[in-house]
Amino acid sequence: EAGVAQSPRYKIIEKRQSVAFWCNPISGHATLYWYQQILGQGPKLLIQFQNNGVVDDSQLPKDRFSAERLKGVDSTLKIQPAKLEDSAVYLCASSLEANNQPQHFGDGTRLSIL
Amino acid sequence: LAKTTQPISMDSYEGQEVNITCSHNNIATNDYITWYQQFPSQGPRFIIQGYKTKVTNEVASLFIPADRKSSTLSLPRVSLSDTAVYYCLVGDSNSGYALNFGKGTSLLVTP
Repeated sequence: EAGVAQSPRYKIIEKRQSVAFWCNPISGHATLYWYQQILGQGPKLLIQFQNNGVVDDSQLPKDRFSAERLKGVDSTLKIQPAKLEDSAVYLCASSLEANNQPQHFGDGTRLSIL
Repeated sequence: LAKTTQPISMDSYEGQEVNITCSHNNIATNDYITWYQQFPSQGPRFIIQGYKTKVTNEVASLFIPADRKSSTLSLPRVSLSDTAVYYCLVGDSNSGYALNFGKGTSLLVTP
């Protein structure tokens, strides 16, 4: 089966600019996750969708980050305006359901803020 | 959420068995234990998941004692390609097990 697809792989922007990331999960996977991984740390969950509804966004900085999952399939994560501390890898993952299923990760988008 | 504690790093030679232990003293009754592997520039990859006793698949074994306050990931006969970061996660869907990746254990395998 095709894996989780993410684009772009790399993005360089200046602070205060906006940026968007796209994720296409594995076909049939109801649950989609966005993570932020800062260099040297483990992934931190930003938001979790079940179909097109938000399950958990408690760690999403809502003043600058937003995410949507239209029609319960693809998802986009946006940052506006970006700050220097947003430099990280943004990972998307999906799973069949949320109940103890393994998550399948994409290879992420590496964001650098100048 | 159950907090996990793992060694920051481990070293091994090729061909040896590697055991990485994770402590999770406040694991809840419904919690599962899941291990992921991550290579540089890639997303984490699921290795194994268990609830109690022993689970084995084609790449690893997971040992969980009766009190479930710790777990050990066992990698038999490691190769250079097993050099990666290994994460232990504890939780279930209700408690948000997706959140708690921690810093993981960086395993270096050398010839």
